[in-house]
Amino acid sequence: QSVLTQPPSASGTPGQRVTISCSGSTSNIGSNTVNWYQHLPGTAPKLLIYSNNQRPSGVPDRFSGSKSGTSASLAISGLQSEDEADYYCAAWDDSLNGWVFGGGTKLTVL
Amino acid sequence: QVQLQESGPGLVKPSETLSLTCTVSGYSISSGYYWGWIRQPPGKGLEWIGSISQSGSTYYNPSLKSRVTISVDVSKNQFSLKLTSVTAADTAVYYCARDWVAVSMDVWGKGTTVTVSS
Repeated sequence: QSVLTQPPSASGTPGQRVTISCSGSTSNIGSNTVNWYQHLPGTAPKLLIYSNNQRPSGVPDRFSGSKSGTSASLAISGLQSEDEADYYCAAWDDSLNGWVFGGGTKLTVL
Repeated sequence: QVQLQESGPGLVKPSETLSLTCTVSGYSISSGYYWGWIRQPPGKGLEWIGSISQSGSTYYNPSLKSRVTISVDVSKNQFSLKLTSVTAADTAVYYCARDWVAVSMDVWGKGTTVTVSS
């Protein structure tokens, strides 16, 4: 069972906006910043969002992140077929003194 | 462009030691950052295993600490993972990544599948 909680699945149609939630605790999300990864099987996980809402160079501005208290969310606007992937949240945990991850959300573009 | 590549046996027998190496290209390990290992068992989420600095400082997931050793070879620009006394529960895709401690793990390898079976 993952330390951070995500819904197992999400879906949307092309052009829609979808959000994926990530819930944690005071020792991780409540105290530290949140990262989001996009993962296609057989490929390297790709950092989409770091420090709650920062996009690495090359990540489209369709992807955005936010955090409030012990929860965070990833929003994808203008959904495209190539966005179909697994999405993971991650945060540093002060109790563990290490990284914790969500269980992942499988996004389906209908 | 920083790239990481995992390598090692794809099949390990129960009770034996799993050994993997991550080769870094496009960046010198000696320049900084930590370097970490993460795994994903079939059908499950990601689990951080541990990380190491260029000077050899390590931090491990407490749930695996008794069985894990991570080492670094700056001359080869590689770092390695050893996991002892493996069981079927250690079957997973193993990833290596650059670890910007407490900020992000920003560059990952594609992963290598390790199966524990006799």
